[in-house]
Parts: sequence; C-alpha cells; structure tokens
Amino acid sequence: AQSVAQPEDQVNVAEGNPLTVKCTYSVSGNPYLFWYVQYPNRGLQFLLKYITGDNLVKGSYGFEAEFNKSQTSFHLKKPSALVSDSALYFCAVRDLGSGTYKYIFGTGTRLKVLA
Amino acid sequence: KAGVTQTPRYLIKTRGQQVTLSCSPISGHRSVSWYQQTPGQGLQFLFEYFSETQRNKGNFPGRFSGRQFSNSRSEMNVSTLELGDSALYLCASSLAPPLAGGLGADTQYFGPGTRLTVL
Repeated sequence: AQSVAQPEDQVNVAEGNPLTVKCTYSVSGNPYLFWYVQYPNRGLQFLLKYITGDNLVKGSYGFEAEFNKSQTSFHLKKPSALVSDSALYFCAVRDLGSGTYKYIFGTGTRLKVLA
Repeated sequence: KAGVTQTPRYLIKTRGQQVTLSCSPISGHRSVSWYQQTPGQGLQFLFEYFSETQRNKGNFPGRFSGRQFSNSRSEMNVSTLELGDSALYLCASSLAPPLAGGLGADTQYFGPGTRLTVL
C-alpha cells in the first residue's frame, strides 16, 4: 500500500543554519513527489515536485529536495533558514502504479526557525 | 490569475445537521480534490473530480458526498453531522489528473479552506 512518512513532528533550527525536513515513501510504481507548506489559518502552498529527470529539484523560496530512489526518500532542504520559514510542511506522493493515482500526504512536520 | 476560492470560510453547525461547502477552482483547471484536515489525522483525501465525474474516493462514510459542475466548480456535502466532522476542509484544483494532461499537469493548488465546527 502507498504511504508517506515524515518521521519528525517538529524540527528546530537556528536562523541562518541549513535545514532538512525528512520524507520517505512507499509506492508500487513510479512516484510523483511533492512538498507543500502551510502557514497558520491558510491552505497548503505548493513548494516543489519531482516527476522525472534530475534528482535535485529546486522550488519556491529557496527550497530544494533530493529524490533518492534507493532510499525511497525525498527530503526537503534549504541552505539558510529564515524565521519566516516557520510553518507546517507536508510531503505527498502520487503512486502511478496503483491505478488510482490518489494523493497521499504525510502527517506533516512543524518547522521552527529560531532567531 | 485568481486562486482557488472556498466558501464559506467558517461554519458552525450542530450535530445531525447537514452542510454544503463550495469550491471554485483556478480558471482553466478541471480537476478538483477535497481533503479533510484534523490535528489528529492530518490530511485525509475525500474525493477527486474531473469533468463532472468522480475519479477517486477516500475512505469516508457515505455521509460525505460531492459533485462537480460543468464549469468545474465543486461542492461537497456532509449529512447527519457528527462532532468528529469538525475539521478544516480543503479544496485543491489542478489542470488535469495524472497522465491525462501531461507531466506535471496534476500539481494541486489549494484554497484557504472552510473551517467547520460541529457543536
């Protein structure tokens, strides 16, 4: 069955330091992988996606993510965190091998960037 | 280009009542999905519509239903409300479902949500 795991409920990082938010997935076919961010009382905002091609994907607001097929991971990264990056981050997968193509979301990771 | 709009933004109902939520997708987008977000369960997929047809359905009881109109606007309905239905209901639109519109056409863009409180 398809699944997405975000092993950390919360990640704390000092402003200016690099940040990583982890995501691993399990699918039966080739995955489409996505990262979204949610600010308080807002819907989700699209950050970046991996469909095919280069394993390093660059997205909005300086974020990037690396697709690692052997480790079935798609970790979100940013070289230098900002206080304004503090938000809830969701990883999602579409399993093209399942036949249903449902979006499956992780449980979310709260990122706190400390000034 | 206007984003996804959802109405109403906030709703308070009592147990046993029914509710209808509305979603207008981004202009040109034909696929609409609905999600329920709660602190305990995270984001749970409800259903996905494309060209007025339900293409996917999540694991929710039959009290949850939806539809899509010819202009791609969508509504979801919850009947016989229960306390556990209190949640943020999110709508997302995309150009097309996977494979129907080419690579990447199914990137979903979310509305601000409707906060439903059941008393």
